[in-house]
Amino acid sequence: DVKVTQSSRYLVKRTGEKVFLECVQDMDHENMFWYRQDPGLGLRLIYFSYDVKMKEKGDIPEGYSVSREKKERFSLILESASTNQTSMYLCASSSPGAGSTGELFFGEGSRLTVL
Amino acid sequence: AQSVTQLDSHVSVSEGTPVLLRCNYSSSYSPSLFWYVQHPNKGLQLLLKYTSAATLVKGINGFEAEFKKSETSFHLTKPSAHMSDAAEYFCVVTREGGRRALTFGSGTRLQVQP
Repeated sequence: DVKVTQSSRYLVKRTGEKVFLECVQDMDHENMFWYRQDPGLGLRLIYFSYDVKMKEKGDIPEGYSVSREKKERFSLILESASTNQTSMYLCASSSPGAGSTGELFFGEGSRLTVL
Repeated sequence: AQSVTQLDSHVSVSEGTPVLLRCNYSSSYSPSLFWYVQHPNKGLQLLLKYTSAATLVKGINGFEAEFKKSETSFHLTKPSAHMSDAAEYFCVVTREGGRRALTFGSGTRLQVQP
C-alpha cells in the first residue's frame, strides 16, 4: 500500500514563527501536493511538484513556499506564520505514468494552530 | 477552467434509506472524476473514480456514481445507508494541464440517523 507520512499531526506556533511541515511518500511517485482544508471550503491547492526541484503554484500560494530536494520528500514552509494560516494541511502524492488516473494518496494531515 | 459544485453542504438520512450526494462539474475537456470520503479524524480515502470507461462506476462500501455528460453531473448514491457512512464526502475533478493536480468541491457532510 502507498504510504504518505506527515511528520507532525498537531502543531501550535506563534505569529511570525517559521514553520516547516514535512511529508514523505514511499511509492516512488513523481507528483506531490500540498492542500489546506478548511470547513466549508473543501481542499484548496497550495503548491505541487512534479519532479525533484520542480514546483508549481496552486490556487493559494501566498504566504507559503515549498522544497523538494528528494523525490520522496516534499516540505511546506510558512516563512512567517499568521493566524489566518491556522488550518489542516494535507500532503498527497500520485503517479503521472501511462494509465494513471491521477488518483491522489493522502497523508493523515497536520493540524496547525497559529496563536 | 475546471470546477466542481457540491449542491448540498449537509445531508441527513435515516439508516436503511437511500443516499444521494449531488455534484456538478465544469470542464472544457473530458475530465476524470472522483469521490473521496473522510471519516472523522481520518485521512481522505478514494471511494470511486470515473476515467472515461463505463459511465456507471461502482466503488467501495456499496457506493456508486453515474457520469452524465449531458447534465455535467457525477452524483453519488447508495441504496441503503449505514451508520458507518457518516462522514464528509468530496467530489473531485482533474485539472487541465496534464500535471494531475485535482480540484476539490467544498464537501458534503452526511449524517445518518438511527
